[in-house]
Amino acid sequence: QVRLQESGPGLVKPSQTLSLSCSVSGGSITQVDYCWSWIRQSPGKGLEWIGYIYRSGIAYYNPSLKSRVSISLDGSKNQFSLSLNSVTAADTAIYFCARDNSYPPVGIFDYWGQGAQVTVSS
Amino acid sequence: SYDLTQPPSVSVSPGQTATITCSGDKLDNKYTSWYQQKPGQSPMLVIFRDNKRPSGIPERFSGSNSGNTATLTISETQPMDDADYYCQTWDSGSAVFGPGTKVTVL
Repeated sequence: QVRLQESGPGLVKPSQTLSLSCSVSGGSITQVDYCWSWIRQSPGKGLEWIGYIYRSGIAYYNPSLKSRVSISLDGSKNQFSLSLNSVTAADTAIYFCARDNSYPPVGIFDYWGQGAQVTVSS
Repeated sequence: SYDLTQPPSVSVSPGQTATITCSGDKLDNKYTSWYQQKPGQSPMLVIFRDNKRPSGIPERFSGSNSGNTATLTISETQPMDDADYYCQTWDSGSAVFGPGTKVTVL
């Protein structure tokens, strides 16, 4: 059974960098045919895709966040990470990591982490 | 950017059929997935590639995609189906989610 678990600070100051990691168990993140995504949900709002990374290390981002976001992958730790800089209160959200069971990705997010609440506040 | 539209809410009586629509330009040229989310939980995939059900999803969940509209149908709706439902597709290298539909089972 594949499991994903987010970890990282729950409070980030404005203008600083939000950093989260997603540990994957029950399968290798370097396995073919899977992409690994970050998705967020602002309070009381819908889902927003942030970006994904493939086992090659190549990442793709939501154009609206592209200038501030970076996703990386560490095969030796079987985890992938999110970095979002210059955060504002608008970045306050629950951040989910998820597996897309397709490559090229068509959006089959079949496994999700439980979500990490991140609040941006001074 | 590509936009998906969903009705904000749908109400259904137990045992009846709930129909949730998702509209987007030439949506049938793309694959659509559907996710169920209950309060305090992560989303759960219920339909992928327009009409495929993941293992463990009841047969009462079905999907279709034609023209500009994808549809999630919940037959014989049960109280446990009370949740938010999001459609999702892929456009120009990005995943796009609809705004969500609150399904209330009265």
